[in-house]
Order: sequence, then C-alpha cells, then structure tokens
Amino acid sequence: DIVMTQIPLSLPVTPGEPASISCRSSQSLLDSADGKIYLDWYLQKPGQSPQLLIYTLSHRASGVPDRFSGSGSDTDFTLKISRVEAEDVGVYFCMQRIESYTFGQGTKLEIK
Amino acid sequence: QVHLVQSGPEVKKPGSSVKVSCKASGGTFSTNAINWVRQAPGQGLEWMGGIVPIFGRGRYAQKFQGRVAITADESTATSYMELNSLKSEDMAVYYCARLTPERTGGNITSHWGQGTLVTVSS
Repeated sequence: DIVMTQIPLSLPVTPGEPASISCRSSQSLLDSADGKIYLDWYLQKPGQSPQLLIYTLSHRASGVPDRFSGSGSDTDFTLKISRVEAEDVGVYFCMQRIESYTFGQGTKLEIK
Repeated sequence: QVHLVQSGPEVKKPGSSVKVSCKASGGTFSTNAINWVRQAPGQGLEWMGGIVPIFGRGRYAQKFQGRVAITADESTATSYMELNSLKSEDMAVYYCARLTPERTGGNITSHWGQGTLVTVSS
C-alpha cells in the first residue's frame, strides 16, 4: 500500500500570512501513461465532509480561491496558501489515487 | 450538480452488522465509481473500498476484505456499504464519495455524502 506522510500535523497561522503543508508518498504517483500525478488536496472544515481543493497535483477545483496552489514532484508535494483567511481553518489532507486511495494523516490549520 | 445523500445514524451492538446507503442524484451513476471512506472520532480518513455500478463488483482495502460488502443498485442510483462483525473500533463516520474529480455543469470537483455516524456500543 502507498503510505502518505504529511507535515506538520498542526499549523498555527496569523491571518494574512502564508502557509505551507508538505506531503510525501512512499511510491511515485506519476502515471507514465498520461503524465499526470495523482495527488489531490482536501480541506475538511469542522463538522463538514471533506471538500476538494486541488486535483492532479496542481489543478484547483471549481470555486477554490486562487490563494490555494499545489506543486511538487512525483513523490513530494506542497500545498500553499498565499494569505491565510479565517475561513481556511480546518484539517487538510493529501490523498493519492494512482493505486486505490490513501490519505495523509491530516494537518490541522488554526488561526493564531 | 451531483448530490450524494446518505442514510441516518446507526447504533449497533458489537458483533452485529450495519448497512449504510448512499443515494446519488445528478451526473451519471452507472459509470462513476462510488467509494466508501470512514473517519474514526478525531482521526484521519480511511478508504474502505468502492464500486463502479455498471461492473457490479466491489473492490476492497485489504484491511476490510471479508468483512465489508459494497453494492450498487442502478435502478435507484443507490450504493450500499455493509460492514459485519462490528467492533468498538468501527465506531466512525462513514462517507460515500466519488473521489475522481468530474465535470458537471461546468464545475470540476469531487462529491461526498454528508456522512453517517455509526456507533458501536453494548
């Protein structure tokens, strides 16, 4: 099974400041057939179902503000928030879907 | 617009079974995989398995093999997840989800149900 490792697990951020979350996979998430990297990012706000932020490494889902961006290689990935807002509070998960699905442990973003 | 609506909370005794439903509306049901993901209290997300309704056969995480059955009824656009031999550690919120981002009505996103709390207690 592919293991996803996220850091940090807790991220206190001052509003208006940037934030960054890292995720690493135990195997490459690059599909050589189509050149896509099957890594998605989710945000789970308190009491809600997870919502998709980023798919296939760097594509923002519809309605996601452009302060969110995804980047990385085939095994190392980063989610960046250019300027954190109060509504960004919640738990962020990375998820691989090249081979079944596995999630990172989650990073809890809180406002300082 | 795709909506996934799940059945209500359940309270079960250890050793019993639970069956959770997930009714889809909007989009194409038969050819899009429905997955089941659970989240224990205060914990992360765990994929249990999934099914592409038109193929009719579930695919399961090794951890749940032999204890879970995922089915789909194309006539009602509903998927079911049945978990047997319940233990206290199975207490969690169970979500159905279409995890592959899809374009519907000009929007690209994935879709999740609202979650179903399953409590296991004697």
